[in-house]
Amino acid sequence: NAGVMQNPRHLVRRRGQEARLRCSPMKGHSHVYWYRQLPEEGLKFMVYLQKENIIDESGMPKERFSAEFPKEGPSILRIQQVVRGDSAAYFCASSGGTGGRSEAFFGQGTRLTVV
Amino acid sequence: AQTVTQSQPEMSVQEAETVTLSCTYDTSESDYYLFWYKQPPSRQMILVIRQEAYKQQNATENRFSVNFQKAAKSFSLKISDSQLGDAAMYFCAYKRGGGSQGNLIFGKGTKLSVKP
Repeated sequence: NAGVMQNPRHLVRRRGQEARLRCSPMKGHSHVYWYRQLPEEGLKFMVYLQKENIIDESGMPKERFSAEFPKEGPSILRIQQVVRGDSAAYFCASSGGTGGRSEAFFGQGTRLTVV
Repeated sequence: AQTVTQSQPEMSVQEAETVTLSCTYDTSESDYYLFWYKQPPSRQMILVIRQEAYKQQNATENRFSVNFQKAAKSFSLKISDSQLGDAAMYFCAYKRGGGSQGNLIFGKGTKLSVKP
């Protein structure tokens, strides 16, 4: 059973370009969470999705950021018109449920560098 | 809103010795879960140990144990017989209980170095 797969591991974008980060959850998991980790910081929650639905996007910046989790295929975190401040590691986690006993499994993250 | 505070940005321990990492949290809820995650240089987030707030008994996992003080809202991690492979960032995290959407709230982390 493969773990949470994120790609790419590293992504370099010029200011103003678009960044697309992909996350394939563990098999059987329908809950996906995206987190952002700035240098020297902990992970900050961005968005929670279930298949075809955004459940909670309270941690997502209001502009330029969007996320989806289609019926088929990976979850996508999209950042339009990237700026230097978007440089960070972006982590995806998946779980089979939301209760406390449901463990969240993390991918290895995508490190985005904006030049 | 819930917050998690790790007051030790860096800690160091001699191989085979014991080290304790501190974590405090703030919440008005009674049903929640607490976690310690390890993040080695590979960046992979690895669950080390979990504690249910309703359980008085402190969780243990091999060399890792916690000291959970619910009234003080304290959740420290003790690593016994430290090994070189324990060197990593350690993050304390909180998750609401019943009705939770399942997202975690993390502290800023403690960087643990292990000296041979």
